[in-house]
Amino acid sequence: TQLLEQSPQFLSIQEGENLTVYCNSSSVFSSLQWYRQEPGEGPVLLVTVVTGGEVKKLKRLTFQFGDARKDSSLHITAAQPGDTGLYLCAVGRSGTYKYIFGTGTRLKVLA
Amino acid sequence: SQTIHQWPATLVQPVGSPLSLECTVEGTSNPNLYWYRQAAGRGLQLLFYSVGIGQISSEVPQNLSASRPQDRQFILSSKKLLLSDSGFYLCAWSAGDGYTFGSGTRLTVV
Repeated sequence: TQLLEQSPQFLSIQEGENLTVYCNSSSVFSSLQWYRQEPGEGPVLLVTVVTGGEVKKLKRLTFQFGDARKDSSLHITAAQPGDTGLYLCAVGRSGTYKYIFGTGTRLKVLA
Repeated sequence: SQTIHQWPATLVQPVGSPLSLECTVEGTSNPNLYWYRQAAGRGLQLLFYSVGIGQISSEVPQNLSASRPQDRQFILSSKKLLLSDSGFYLCAWSAGDGYTFGSGTRLTVV
């Protein structure tokens, strides 16, 4: 059983469209992170959310942590080809130094 | 600032050959270090992590091993590679709030 489920798995949209991707779990987390990975590179940390209901914005990206701290969403406004990549959510496992990653959403933005 | 170096970027090795991937971190001391493997461009599987010199924790039984001979050096090894060891290997460090990843090594076992 996957601890973190991300949806959709794949998404292909036209430049300028809006989109939302999701990260869901049945467990409660103290914090959650979002990463973006481009082909052939390591993931890059975008944001960490720690408070239930928290909303963070990074230019055209809006991240929200669910009120119950079990899920999170990433909304991209007016997507651009540069947003293309694999989006991963991750959570730390309580009492350990380890982070568990979700299944990932592969986004392709067409010019 | 902290930086992480991982090499080589790509590697093609025959089945049964040994493997050594190296990762070094600069600009920090006593980092937590990690090796992940990523298959088919999807989620990451944690292989090993280390919280200090000589301290290695293994997450999954496999054909690989890890060592941390120095504070900022983490090495992933195998004595005999299998076809199933092919994948994208990522080194990362953490100070407790997310990871900083290396640029990865694409390993193809043929």
